Amino acid sequence: QVTLKESGPGMLQPSKTLSLTCSFSGFSLSTSGMVVSWIRQPSGKSLEWLAAIDWDGDKYYNPSLKSRLTVSKDTSNTQVFLKITSVDTADTATYYCARSWNYPGITPDYWGQGVMVTVSS
Amino acid sequence: IQLTQSPSLLSASVGDRVTLSCKGSQNINNYLAWYQQKLGEAPKLLIYNTNSLQTGIPSRFSGSGSGTDYTLTISSLQPEDVATYFCYQYNNGWTFGGGTKLELK
Repeated sequence: QVTLKESGPGMLQPSKTLSLTCSFSGFSLSTSGMVVSWIRQPSGKSLEWLAAIDWDGDKYYNPSLKSRLTVSKDTSNTQVFLKITSVDTADTATYYCARSWNYPGITPDYWGQGVMVTVSS
Repeated sequence: IQLTQSPSLLSASVGDRVTLSCKGSQNINNYLAWYQQKLGEAPKLLIYNTNSLQTGIPSRFSGSGSGTDYTLTISSLQPEDVATYFCYQYNNGWTFGGGTKLELK
């Protein structure tokens, strides 16, 4: 059974660095073709694709946010991390991690439940 | 690539045939997916590659289109289809549309 779960600080202050963790089971990121993405959604708004990392360690970023994003994975291939630097109130959102495997491009099929992050002073 | 969905809000009755539109700012080359998001839940993949039905999704959902214009059709609307629907392109970068909220009339 494929499951993903996001974790994060809940709330942080502007200008700080947001660190998020995606813990997953039921698959390994070392499997050829596997990709884990980060996607966010401000309350009541649409979805924004942020970043992804694949089984080979290749990383993909949203060009408009690339300078602030860092995606990485652990050596056991069971967790993926996302760091966003210099956050401000516009980064307030629910953050999802999602898996893609054997789809063209990066097409997330299994998603975590999401973690809410509020940026506020 | 920017994706524009229309309408932003759609009211329909149970049993209606419903059509949702997604238009890209450039050619998407059929690399388009549709997601359904119910209130308080994560999005669910319905359709990928324009018209491929994800495993476990009812056959009343179908997708079509080419170039810059794509459509999600629900052949006979059911109460459990009330949700917001997002299109998503993965031809050039990865972007989502603004969503269409589908409600019952």
